[in-house]
Formats: sequence, C-alpha cells, structure tokens
Amino acid sequence: SQQGEEDPQALSIQEGENATMNCSYKTSINNLQWYRQNSGRGLVHLILIRSNEREKHSGRLRVTLDTSKKSSSLLITASRAADTASYFCATDRYILTGGGNKLTFGTGTQLKVEL
Amino acid sequence: NAGVTQTPKFQVLKTGQSMTLQCAQDMNHNSMYWYRQDPGMGLRLIYYSASEGTTDKGEVPNGYNVSRLNKREFSLRLESAAPSQTSVYFCASSEDHYSYEQYFGPGTRLTVT
Repeated sequence: SQQGEEDPQALSIQEGENATMNCSYKTSINNLQWYRQNSGRGLVHLILIRSNEREKHSGRLRVTLDTSKKSSSLLITASRAADTASYFCATDRYILTGGGNKLTFGTGTQLKVEL
Repeated sequence: NAGVTQTPKFQVLKTGQSMTLQCAQDMNHNSMYWYRQDPGMGLRLIYYSASEGTTDKGEVPNGYNVSRLNKREFSLRLESAAPSQTSVYFCASSEDHYSYEQYFGPGTRLTVT
C-alpha cells in the first residue's frame, strides 16, 4: 500500500491565495520530500525535511513535519498560475539489503491556480 | 547538462511484443531508478541500481528486467508486454545511496493494446 497519502486530491484557488496540501504516512521515516510535477513532465524536487526537523522554508514554500502524527504539510504562499501542477510527498527509508535510497510516493494533490 | 534523458517519449506495443526503455544521466550519479506512474497510484518503484554493477527489485518488478549498462545508462526491458503494463515510466537518478534528492527524466508513455 502507498506509504504517503495526500489530501486533498485536488485543490483550486485564485492567484495570490495560499495553498496547503497535507501528507500522511504509515511507518517511521528518515526524511520526507515534496516533489512537483507539471502536466506531461517528470518530477522536480522541491524541498526535503528530516525526521528531526519540524519546519523548513524555501522561498514561498513552507513545510512542516509532525512525526508523532505521521503527517506533513506543504504551504505555498502567494500562489501564481505557474504553480499549477501536481504535488507529491515522498517518504524515505534506507534499503536494508542492496543499499540505495528508497522513496515511497503518495498519490498526489492536483493544484490549479486560476487568474 | 541534459540531466536525465529517456527514449522513446511515446510507444505503442501489441500484447506479447518486447521493448527496451532507455535512460541515461550525465550527472555522474551512482544510483538510478525506474518507476511507473498510474492514475491515482502515485509512483511505484520497479527496479533500482544503487551503484554500477548492482540491481535490485523494487515494489512492482514482475514482467520487467533491467540492465545497468555502465554508470550513465540504466535500461528497462519488457520481455512480453501486457495491457497491465500500460503506464508512464520514469527514470531517476541520485548522487549516491546517501543522497536523498532524486532527479527525474521526462518519462515514456507506453500503451499496450
């Protein structure tokens, strides 16, 4: 089953408004990442928050992490039409055998920012 | 730098046909990954290669094989395509197995009829 589940599945806002997306996960993690996907394109990394961090900022992005509730939120402030995309959370665990870094993605939130 | 490139961009196969999806990265990354993306399912890991010379199964490996040809290239092969393999396939890479950020290619949209 999916480790991460985003909420809401779809969000439509006006330009200039803030957009908040939530992610819940099931097992303990090393860190949590957020990615953006524009229609028909690959995913682009936005921000990473480690399990011992509670809040992180990057430009207009603010991410919070509550490990006790196994949840994270992504806030985009002063949204723009160019922010229209799907947003995915991804939880990270070490792969015990074989090495490498395994990401488990949620199902995504489709954000539409209207002029 | 081109980053991660994938070929082809689109492909239509008939059931039972085979094909290889190609992926290359020019960032000197050690680790590479293949995912599939289906509507409402997010991305699921098919296979990964933590470093050149190693490959391991991910979450949904059945029906696929991979080859880490060299440090730059990681291919995904469908030996006998099935309609259930209709999906968008993404290749990704990361610096090494301690690096958490992954860089994604533009994807290959595959339809199996």
